[in-house]
This record gives sequence, C-alpha cells and structure tokens, in this order.
Amino acid sequence: ETGVTQSPTHLIKTRGQQVTLRCSSQSGHNTVSWYQQALGQGPQFIFQYYREEENGRGNFPPRFSGLQFPNYSSELNVNALELDDSALYLCASSLWGVSNQPQHFGDGTRLSIL
Amino acid sequence: QKEVEQNSGPLSVPEGAIASLNCTYSDRGSQSFFWYRQYSGKSPELIMFIYSNGDKEDGRFTAQLNKASQYVSLLIRDSQPSDSATYLCAVRVPTGGFKTIFGAGTRLFVKA
Repeated sequence: ETGVTQSPTHLIKTRGQQVTLRCSSQSGHNTVSWYQQALGQGPQFIFQYYREEENGRGNFPPRFSGLQFPNYSSELNVNALELDDSALYLCASSLWGVSNQPQHFGDGTRLSIL
Repeated sequence: QKEVEQNSGPLSVPEGAIASLNCTYSDRGSQSFFWYRQYSGKSPELIMFIYSNGDKEDGRFTAQLNKASQYVSLLIRDSQPSDSATYLCAVRVPTGGFKTIFGAGTRLFVKA
C-alpha cells in the first residue's frame, strides 16, 4: 500500500511570488484535503477535492486554489505569497463519504516566505 | 466558539503516570473523532479513532467519547518520555462529504 507523498519537502519563496505544492494520495483513496499549519497551531482546513472538484473550503482567500487529477493526486497553488503564508502545508487522503475512517497524512511541505 | 477546543498545555506528567487529554467540539452532527500525535517538525500520526459513545482501548491508549456532552478524551497509561509530543484532536463533520476539523493541540511532556 502506497502512502501519501508530498513534494517538495521544503521551499523558500519571496513575497508576491506564486507556489505549487503537490500531493499523491494513498492508494485506494479518492479524496484529498489540504491543511495549513502555522507554528504552534493545529492544522487549518484549506479545502478538499473529490472527483476533480473542490468540495468544501475553509476560511482561506481565493489566492489559495487547487486541482485534482484523474489519478486522485492534487496540487495546491498559492498566488501573491504573503509573509503569513509561511507554514507547514499538509495533504491528507481519505475515502469520500466515509465518516469513520481516518485521513492519512503526507510528511508535509515546509514553505518559508522571505 | 471554536469548532474544536483543546487545552494548549503544556501538560506535564511523570514517567509511568496516566496522561489525560481533553477535547470539546461544537457541531452536534459530528460523526467521528480522531486523536493524532505530532512530533515537532513532523506530520500528524494517527493514534486512535472513535465514533461510538463509550471507551475504546488500544494498548496504552484509551479514547473516550460522550456525544451528549460533546466531549472526547484520550488517556495514555504508563506514560513514557517518547510520548512527549503535541496531541491533536480532530472531528469529522458532515459537511461536503465530511471534512475534518482540528483543535490547536495539547503539548504533553513526560518527565523521566
């Protein structure tokens, strides 16, 4: 069974730039959720993708956008980067509509904005 | 009111003691409840999940759920220094195919 993989592991950008983070879901999972975790905070839900569409979004501005591909992998795109975007970005996969099974997380991408 | 609330701690217990971690949630429609452990700089690691009222035991860990009180807890018996980490409570809510909301986490220190 292949677990959730994320790339890159670390990334340094400057204010105003754009970034794309990638996630491959665990085999058998069709839903990908993205989270932002600032230092000392819990993961904050950004959005969730199922059937290549966004299904559910947290309190994040439109400059945070995503994609899901037919193989269930996903991208998170962030435009016009701000200093506060510095965080650990986590991807988790699961099965759509199944409430009693846990999400499985990738190792995350550490994004630093200078 | 936050959707999922945890005491941020730190909670400090001596080695061999029982650590008790608590979590409350606001959405009565919440279906499932998860406890994750997160070491500094690492991603969350699932410890246990529970979706029925009562207790669920797995080794040194026991999860307790009381849906009437909207309360879920995690007990760690025979705490070890390696248990020192941040413990995240997560709640799955029936919105858009179920989304998972996390608390801010409780930092646990187990003193040798």
